[in-house]
Amino acid sequence: AQSVSQHNHHVILSEAASLELGCNYSYGGTVNLFWYVQYPGQHLQLLLKYFSGDPLVKGIKGFEAEFIKSKFSFNLRKPSVQWSDTAEYFCAVTFNYQLIWGAGTKLIIKP
Amino acid sequence: DTGVSQNPRHKITKRGQNVTFRCDPISEHNRLYWYRQTLGQGPEFLTYFQNEAQLEKSRLLSDRFSAERPKGSFSTLEIQRTEQGDSAMYLCASSVPGLRGTDTQYFGPGTRLTVL
Repeated sequence: AQSVSQHNHHVILSEAASLELGCNYSYGGTVNLFWYVQYPGQHLQLLLKYFSGDPLVKGIKGFEAEFIKSKFSFNLRKPSVQWSDTAEYFCAVTFNYQLIWGAGTKLIIKP
Repeated sequence: DTGVSQNPRHKITKRGQNVTFRCDPISEHNRLYWYRQTLGQGPEFLTYFQNEAQLEKSRLLSDRFSAERPKGSFSTLEIQRTEQGDSAMYLCASSVPGLRGTDTQYFGPGTRLTVL
């Protein structure tokens, strides 16, 4: 079965720190990859996506992610986090039109 | 706002009762998806529609669950004879078809079900 792993369930950082959240998937074929974010009290929102082309993709609010096919990874990065980035972050992979999701990473930014 | 809407936002019911949730997708999105999310987990796929046709159902969707999209617009998810294990957030998403699964799914706020 296809699966997505997110390595850290909870991350606590101070403002201005750099962020990297890990995501690995198990499917060996062509993949479409997504990061979604859920701010407190809000619904899931698309942060960025990768379908093909440049493996470094940029999303909203200064986030970027790098697709490394040989490592089956799609890690999310941000050079300098802000308090407003406190949220839960989900990595997901398309498989047969459904999204397969990681368990999520809760990110807390200390002001 | 023309995003995905879901009603009700919260539902508390007693075990054994039937519940129905509604999802209104973004206009002109002909794909509609239902997911279930429990605490500490990512969403799990339940089913999806293209227009009014239900094209895929997860094995998670027991015979107590049924979903419809009769006119290819809004969808309903019904749970019969609810059990405490059905307590979860039920999410709806919609998309426009893309080549090779390149749909981007847009999510509604969810319906939180609590079964007592």
